[in-house]
Amino acid sequence: EVHLVESGGGVVQPGGSLRLSCAASGFTFSNYWMHWVRQAPGKGLVWVSRIKSDGSSTSYADFVKGRFTISRDNAKNTLYLQMNSLRGEDTAVYYCVSASYHADYWGQGTLVTVSS
Amino acid sequence: IVLTQSPDSLAVSLGERATINCKSSQSVLYSSNNKNYLAWYQQKPGQTPRLLMYWASTRESGVPDRFSGSGSATDFTLTISSLQAEDVAVYYCQQYYDSTWAFGQGTKVEIK
Repeated sequence: EVHLVESGGGVVQPGGSLRLSCAASGFTFSNYWMHWVRQAPGKGLVWVSRIKSDGSSTSYADFVKGRFTISRDNAKNTLYLQMNSLRGEDTAVYYCVSASYHADYWGQGTLVTVSS
Repeated sequence: IVLTQSPDSLAVSLGERATINCKSSQSVLYSSNNKNYLAWYQQKPGQTPRLLMYWASTRESGVPDRFSGSGSATDFTLTISSLQAEDVAVYYCQQYYDSTWAFGQGTKVEIK
């Protein structure tokens, strides 16, 4: 059974940093592109970033470009999102998503709250 | 690519048809394989999104056949042929033509 378990969320002050992790199991992690998708409270789904299966290519939404960095460790079956210079509008549940083409599996999400 | 759903919300009587539209700012039809890179998801309160349809019209395993998807290139539709109480949710379209995904803003479906 596929499991994606995010961790690392919490409350952080504006301008602060957090590192999210997503531990994957139940599938061959190294074969899949991985994405981060976020959802602000009461709002819709918003794509944040993606990384190719071997980690050789990454992309970011414009609103996080230069502040967030996606990475992965295929030996540890883990996806990461380093978030710097956090802003109030980054407050959201962050989902780790595996993808063949469309989204295949979603984690339960981790809540990031940016507030002073 | 920007996806625009309509309506933002709709209320439908039990057993009646619900129709949600999704318009893409550019074609998501890949000419080399004639596939539309569009999916539909259902999200119930407090839950993660559930895949309903992919390739615009292929139903995910386990999804009831009252759900159907249609359309091509830039205009797509998700239809619930006979609305059930358990279908109350927010529905999202998503393009994966571009590896930088995009989602529609969501359509909230309620019971009238």
